[in-house]
Amino acid sequence: NAGVTQTPKFQVLKTGQSMTLQCAQDMNHNSMYWYRQDPGMGLRLIYYSASEGTTDKGEVPNGYNVSRLNKREFSLRLESAAPSQTSVYFCASSLLAGRNSGNTIYFGEGSWLTVV
Amino acid sequence: RKEVEQDPGPFNVPEGATVAFNCTYSNSASQSFFWYRQDCRKEPKLLMSVYSSGNEDGRFTAQLNRASQYISLLIRDSKLSDSATYLCGGGYQKVTFGTGTKLQVIP
Repeated sequence: NAGVTQTPKFQVLKTGQSMTLQCAQDMNHNSMYWYRQDPGMGLRLIYYSASEGTTDKGEVPNGYNVSRLNKREFSLRLESAAPSQTSVYFCASSLLAGRNSGNTIYFGEGSWLTVV
Repeated sequence: RKEVEQDPGPFNVPEGATVAFNCTYSNSASQSFFWYRQDCRKEPKLLMSVYSSGNEDGRFTAQLNRASQYISLLIRDSKLSDSATYLCGGGYQKVTFGTGTKLQVIP
């Protein structure tokens, strides 16, 4: 039961370095999401992809780019990491079968990113 | 301003108490609403989806009030194991969450 798998689990970056967080789901879900979580801020949506081929900005998109590579995979890229991007990043997915069903969101285990 | 707002707590309650959490949401087009539970350093996990008719699962009851744009979670007979952070969320394609409410159940 893999569900949502994200890598790496831990990463330390230097300011200005770039990196890509990878995410894959094996539930044939249509929608995928990237959130970040900081103390006292809850989960904040960075980008989402409602279906394969589409991506949209969330609440805090600045400093990030995403790629919905195919239905299974949704990656998050930090082009030039900044200390303010130190956070826990969660990838998630949902079936999004329709307006009244199949919208439960399933989360990956999280990626702990520190930018020094 | 976040689309979903909730009291961050913490709520410190004795075992056996009843505790209620509320969230408000600003996007009236939101279709799906949820309560998630998150333990320390873990991913959020679905506690309950929230429907207009209200739904109950054992000691947990969730309600949705579309007219006032708020969702609620009631936990009866609190257990030590209920200590966690509870996140409310809502939306449709774009799903956002509140800041989370920390619950500590005290022996």
